Amino acid sequence: KQEVTQIPAALSVPEGENLVLNCSFTDSAIYNLQWFRQDPGKGLTSLLLIQSSQREQTSGRLNASLDKSSGRSTLYIAASQPGDSATYLCAVNTGNQFYFGTGTSLTVIP
Amino acid sequence: DAGVIQSPRHEVTEMGQEVTLRCKPISGHNSLFWYRQTMMRGLELLIYFNNNVPIDDSGMPEDRFSAKMPNASFSTLKIQPSEPRDSAVYFCASTPQLSGNTIYFGEGSWLTVV
Repeated sequence: KQEVTQIPAALSVPEGENLVLNCSFTDSAIYNLQWFRQDPGKGLTSLLLIQSSQREQTSGRLNASLDKSSGRSTLYIAASQPGDSATYLCAVNTGNQFYFGTGTSLTVIP
Repeated sequence: DAGVIQSPRHEVTEMGQEVTLRCKPISGHNSLFWYRQTMMRGLELLIYFNNNVPIDDSGMPEDRFSAKMPNASFSTLKIQPSEPRDSAVYFCASTPQLSGNTIYFGEGSWLTVV
């Protein structure tokens, strides 16, 4: 069974710092990997989707990479802002299910 | 498109009562998922449907939980009887097809059983 792990569970950084969130998965047979943001009291919002054939995707200050062979993905956030404070989850799509990590809770301090 | 629509957004009920959560997926999406989220266990898949047919219900905690999808635009998750340990956020999500696509989440139904 696919297992998805996110480290660290929580992260606090001062505004303006660049940061990296990590996601690892145990089975490399995936269709894609997706990063989500969840604000308190809200659902999950998709940030970036990386297909299994891709190495990275970028959207604004966000860059996600995928190394399928090693079972790892990173989400890079440049020049962090207080509005980036949220929980970030990764999910792998195996073709018949989505497996989610437990998330990293990010706090950006003004 | 309005996105995935869930109701009710919040529900407080007494132990032993029946709870019905509702979901309208995005039009044209063939797969629908029900998840439960708690602080202790994170996001757990309860059941998912493909073309209105339940494919995997192994995540349904026990017989008190049941889910239906009578047509492509509506699904329900029912808990009967409810217990305090069922208190959680229940999310519905949909995707156009299982492989290669983004999954879209509703805003969730916040359930408190007292």
